[in-house]
Amino acid sequence: EVQLVESGGGLVQPGGSLRLSCAASGFTFGTYWMSWVRQAPGKGLEWVANIKQDGSERYYVDSVRGRFTISRDNAKNSLVLQMNSLRAEDTAVYYCAREGSLGGQRFFDYWGQGTLVTVSS
Amino acid sequence: SYKLTQPPSVSVSPGQTASITCSGDELGDRYVCWYQQKPGQSPVLVIYQDRKRPSGIPERISGSNSGNTATLTISGTQAMDEADYYCQAWDNLQAWDSTTVIFGGGTKLTVL
Repeated sequence: EVQLVESGGGLVQPGGSLRLSCAASGFTFGTYWMSWVRQAPGKGLEWVANIKQDGSERYYVDSVRGRFTISRDNAKNSLVLQMNSLRAEDTAVYYCAREGSLGGQRFFDYWGQGTLVTVSS
Repeated sequence: SYKLTQPPSVSVSPGQTASITCSGDELGDRYVCWYQQKPGQSPVLVIYQDRKRPSGIPERISGSNSGNTATLTISGTQAMDEADYYCQAWDNLQAWDSTTVIFGGGTKLTVL
């Protein structure tokens, strides 16, 4: 059974840092692109970042580029999002999601339960 | 940047057909996915590659994509279908080589 379990969320002051982790199990982690997707309270889904299977490619939404860093450790089946210079608008539930692929399309076929990040003084 | 537009809300009576649209410039040239999210839960993939259903998704949920509009259709709508629905595409036309993800704003489906 595929499982994605996020951790590391919490309350942080503006300008602070937080490190989110996602523990993956039930599949060969190193063969999938992985993403972070967030959802502000009462708002829609927003993709944040993704990383290629071997970590050689990483992409970010404009609003977090330069502040957030996505990384992975395939030996430990772990995905990480390092978040620096946090702002109030980064407050959201952060989901770890696997990018499945079929017929030339990638899509989010499994999601974690999410971890809440609150940026407030 | 590319944008996907959904109606904020759609209402349907039980047993009727609900249609949720997702609009974008030449969207029919891209693959579209749909996700269902119930309150307090994580999103669930219900349609990928415009019209394909993952295992476990009922046949009454279907998708289409042509021109500038993708449509999620739920036939014989049930109370359990009440949820938020999000469409999703990639920024590049070549989905296998795409780098960034776009979500629509979401549609709240109410079963009256």
